[in-house]
Amino acid sequence: SQQGEEDPQALSIQEGENATMNCSYKTSINNLQWYRQNSGRGLVHLILIRSNEREKHSGRLRVTLDTSKKSSSLLITASRAADTASYFCARAAGNNRKLIWGLGTSLAVNP
Amino acid sequence: EAQVTQNPRYLITVTGKKLTVTCSQNMNHEYMSWYRQDPGLGLRQIYYSMNVEVTDKGDVPEGYKVSRKEKRNFPLILESPSPNQTSLYFCASSLLAGGPGEDTQYFGPGTRLTVL
Repeated sequence: SQQGEEDPQALSIQEGENATMNCSYKTSINNLQWYRQNSGRGLVHLILIRSNEREKHSGRLRVTLDTSKKSSSLLITASRAADTASYFCARAAGNNRKLIWGLGTSLAVNP
Repeated sequence: EAQVTQNPRYLITVTGKKLTVTCSQNMNHEYMSWYRQDPGLGLRQIYYSMNVEVTDKGDVPEGYKVSRKEKRNFPLILESPSPNQTSLYFCASSLLAGGPGEDTQYFGPGTRLTVL
C-alpha cells in the first residue's frame, strides 16, 4: 500500500496532557502534511513540513520529520477537550499533484 | 469568507439515477480535487484538476466524471451510481497549480451520499 501509517490508531488522554501521534511511510517524500478532522466533518490543514526540514511549530503543535527513518510525529501540548478529533498525515507523491493519506489517529481528550 | 462549498451535504438516491455534487471555491485557486472517505480505507483521490479544462484521474476514478469549465467550480458527476459509491465525499482546493504537494489544501464540509 502507498498509504502512510499512523499510530496509535486511537489515543485517549486527559486534558492538559500531551498527545503524540506518529506517521510512517515507505517511499521518499517532497513534503508531509498533517490534518485534523472533527467527527466526519471537513479536514483542516495543520502543518506542512518539507523534506529538507526537521521540525516545525504552530501554537501548541510541533511536527518533526525524520527522512532517514521515513517517519513524522505530531505533538499536541497541553491538550484540550476541543482537540478531540482524528488526525491524518498525508504525503505528497512524486509529482506533487496528489496527497497519499494515512488512516488517521483518533484522539479523545477527556475533560 | 474564503471557503469551499459543496452541495448537497446529504443525499440518498437509488442505483442508476444520475447525480451531480457541486463544488465551488471563492479563493481563485488553481488546483481542485475530489476525495472519497471510507472506514478502514481512509481518503482516496477520485479526480483532480490543475487548471480550467485540465483534469486527471486519481486513485479511484471508476464510475465518476468531472469537469472544470470555470476556475471556481469542479462538479463531480455519477452517471449511474451504485451502492459501492456510498461514501463521504470531499472537495478540496489549493492555490498553486502544482498541487497540494506544494501548498495547503482547503476542504469543503463534505457530502454524505447513500446509494440504495
